Amino acid sequence: DAGITQSPRHKVTETGTPVTLRCHQTENHRYMYWYRQDPGHGLRLIHYSYGVKDTDKGEVSDGYSVSRSKTEDFLLTLESATSSQTSVYFCAIRRTSQGETQYFGPGTRLLVL
Amino acid sequence: GQSLEQPSEVTAVEGAIVQINCTYQTSGFYGLSWYQQHDGGAPTFLSYNALDGLEETGRFSSFLSRSDSYGYLLLQELQMKDSASYFCAVRSLNNTDKLIFGTGTRLQVFP
Repeated sequence: DAGITQSPRHKVTETGTPVTLRCHQTENHRYMYWYRQDPGHGLRLIHYSYGVKDTDKGEVSDGYSVSRSKTEDFLLTLESATSSQTSVYFCAIRRTSQGETQYFGPGTRLLVL
Repeated sequence: GQSLEQPSEVTAVEGAIVQINCTYQTSGFYGLSWYQQHDGGAPTFLSYNALDGLEETGRFSSFLSRSDSYGYLLLQELQMKDSASYFCAVRSLNNTDKLIFGTGTRLQVFP
């Protein structure tokens, strides 16, 4: 357990509405990541952060934005949700003391109608 | 480009040994990791090979051969609870902050 929580855990929303997912960590890790997981695609990186206010895009960043104003919180925003963004979203932290090891939060299931 | 290929599904019976392969096409990377994910759960870290060779952790072993662009996860004395999806992952030399995941192998263990 790396002290990672995600909220909400489940959400149903309508197309065109904004949605914000929150990832919270308690261990002061520098690196935080947002992934989405869909059948047949494994885990795909949306955005990641390497420090407060330092973020970069992943492979599927279109339609998503992120913010990190505090070390412990990494927010993922869908500005205008679409049905293609229905997915399971995982947040992760990287323990740099353990090289490439990432620890994942419990996930958020998002359904966009 | 960079990609990691895994078989989509593997089946085995309790007590057996199963090997999940991961072949990759990438210009260079820092080690190979393996993650386990049960249905409805989050991925959890299993093992990491920084160097070529075999790493053993209990019933699980992981192997890496950079010269063959190949790695595998070996699960011994299979138990029903090992039924899960398994992902290999690498951290690219081109961007060391990111992990690249394979598409995953679903292991089903039968009694």
